[in-house]
Amino acid sequence: AQSVTQPDIHITVSEGASLELRCNYSYGATPYLFWYVQSPGQGLQLLLKYFSGDTLVQGIKGFEAEFKRSQSSFNLRKPSVHWSDAAEYFCAVASFSGSARQLTFGSGTQLTVLP
Amino acid sequence: KAGVTQTPRYLIKTRGQQVTLSCSPISGHRSVSWYQQTPGQGLQFLFEYFSETQRNKGNFPGRFSGRQFSNSRSEMNVSTLELGDSALYLCASSSGQVNSYEQYFGPGTRLTVT
Repeated sequence: AQSVTQPDIHITVSEGASLELRCNYSYGATPYLFWYVQSPGQGLQLLLKYFSGDTLVQGIKGFEAEFKRSQSSFNLRKPSVHWSDAAEYFCAVASFSGSARQLTFGSGTQLTVLP
Repeated sequence: KAGVTQTPRYLIKTRGQQVTLSCSPISGHRSVSWYQQTPGQGLQFLFEYFSETQRNKGNFPGRFSGRQFSNSRSEMNVSTLELGDSALYLCASSSGQVNSYEQYFGPGTRLTVT
């Protein structure tokens, strides 16, 4: 069965510092991977996705992620964090059964940004 | 293009009652999925509907059910509510096409069971 692990429950960074959020997945086939962000009281916003091709993918709000098959990882990065990036971040893998599909999420990483 | 809408946004129910939540997907999207989010269990998949048919179901009891209408709008129903059903229920919309995998989420319905 597929699974996603986000080892860091909570990360604190200073505004302007770089950020890396870790994600490890377990999936038997080629993974389709996503990062979502959730602000308090809100739904999930899609930051970026990886399906195939270039292993470094760019997303919205200046985020990027790198897919490393050998490490089963899909880490999210941002070179300079803004106060508005404070939120909870979820990594997810899509799984398929015939035409049916679902997302399996990690437990999330809460990001705090210090001024 | 309007995003995914969910109604109501907040709901308070009593144990033993039933509740119906509604989701309108992005225009043109034919797949609607539902997820439950709780602090203890995180985000868990409930079910997916495509063209009025349930094509995938998560590991939830039969008290949780759903349906999809011909205009792709979806409802989920929870009967005989339990305290543990208190959660944020998120609806996600996708085109449902073979090579389309990303899902777009609504703001959620916050259900509190007392």
